[in-house]
Amino acid sequence: DTEVTQTPKHLVMGMTNKKSLKCEQHMGHRAMYWYKQKAKKPPELMFVYSYEKLSINESVPSRFSPECPNSSLLNLHLHALQPEDSALYLCASSQGTLRDTIYFGEGSWLTVV
Amino acid sequence: SQKIEQNSEALNIQEGKTATLTCNYTNYSPAYLQWYRQDPGRGPVFLLLIRENEKEKRKERLKVTFDTTLKQSLFHITASQPADSATYLCALDTGRRALTFGSGTRLQVQP
Repeated sequence: DTEVTQTPKHLVMGMTNKKSLKCEQHMGHRAMYWYKQKAKKPPELMFVYSYEKLSINESVPSRFSPECPNSSLLNLHLHALQPEDSALYLCASSQGTLRDTIYFGEGSWLTVV
Repeated sequence: SQKIEQNSEALNIQEGKTATLTCNYTNYSPAYLQWYRQDPGRGPVFLLLIRENEKEKRKERLKVTFDTTLKQSLFHITASQPADSATYLCALDTGRRALTFGSGTRLQVQP
């Protein structure tokens, strides 16, 4: 079982809703990531936090807002999403950044209606 | 432009045979290359990491090679089993501070 826990596993939201995806890890890792994955495509990097600071934002639309309250937690706040944002959102962590093995959670399935 | 390509979208083989998956990259000089397994609806799981100065790495029935001249990694599963059916992703450091994944190969092992 993965040591990266994501909640909820499934989320259905309307285009005017505000919701959040949550992620937690207790491996003492200092880097945390959000990836987005569409069907039959590889994971695409969205955000990287390193030592609780946002270090990479892959030009993600502002309707996705990440937050890292502490070194174990990572949130992704969602607002005014579009149906094309429906995907599997994967949280991950690693000891540092740059080449370290990444440990993924099971993902949160998001459907925007 | 920079690319990471995996040889085929899907690969079907018979149980007991060796599966060979290919990962090719251009315009990078990665120090590491990693392989992950992903089952449907689940997050990727790390399998093996190979460094640029290593030619080959083994773990049980898995073997990875890394040829920095050809810019290619081969991933082998020997004595394949139906339980090995999954999507396999290669990933490497592309000079930014996070791994970038290849497109993946969906392996189906027929009993």
